[in-house]
Amino acid sequence: EAGVVQSPRYKIIEKKQPVAFWCNPISGHNTLYWYLQNLGQGPELLIRYENEEAVDDSQLPKDRFSAERLKGVDSTLKIQPAELGDSAVYLCASSSGQGTSGELFFGEGSRLTVL
Amino acid sequence: GNSVTQMEGPVTLSEEAFLTINCTYTATGYPSLFWYVQYPGEGLQLLLKATKADDKGSNKGFEATYRKETTSFHLEKGSVQVSDSAVYFCALRAAGNKLTFGGGTRVLVKP
Repeated sequence: EAGVVQSPRYKIIEKKQPVAFWCNPISGHNTLYWYLQNLGQGPELLIRYENEEAVDDSQLPKDRFSAERLKGVDSTLKIQPAELGDSAVYLCASSSGQGTSGELFFGEGSRLTVL
Repeated sequence: GNSVTQMEGPVTLSEEAFLTINCTYTATGYPSLFWYVQYPGEGLQLLLKATKADDKGSNKGFEATYRKETTSFHLEKGSVQVSDSAVYFCALRAAGNKLTFGGGTRVLVKP
């Protein structure tokens, strides 16, 4: 069974440019998460989807970040315009409906460098 | 809000040494507790979990016991190998389904 797939793995852009990350969760997982991981720190939740509905986006900086999960499967996270401080790894994860005891499955992440 | 605190690294050990990584948490209700591991160049993967008080999670020689009275979930391994070199994250999942992570502890095992 395929795991969580993310692309691109690496992205280098100039500041003020836009960037988008794509995530394909594990088949059948209705919950999808985007996390931000700064160097040397633990991941922090940006947004959580239940099917196509964003149920927790309180940590998403909405002035420059946006996300969508059309049809409740794949998801895209966009940053426009990017700032130097956005350099980080963007992690996508998915889980099935097992309540709080269920495991989150993570992709390998998309590493963003903003110059 | 919910939070996880774990010991800062790096932790440097010799092969076959005993490893302990401390983790304490603050949460409302009764969270599930997890240890995730991130090997060099790889994504986060679940190492073990415990879903209620006094449960012991174990995998690959690692163990952690859910201690409600001390709000702790310390990770232990009796004899580490070079291949255990990685970053270890303690995490909790409470009502709302959000997984909250600690800051991570880098472990380096030398031959």
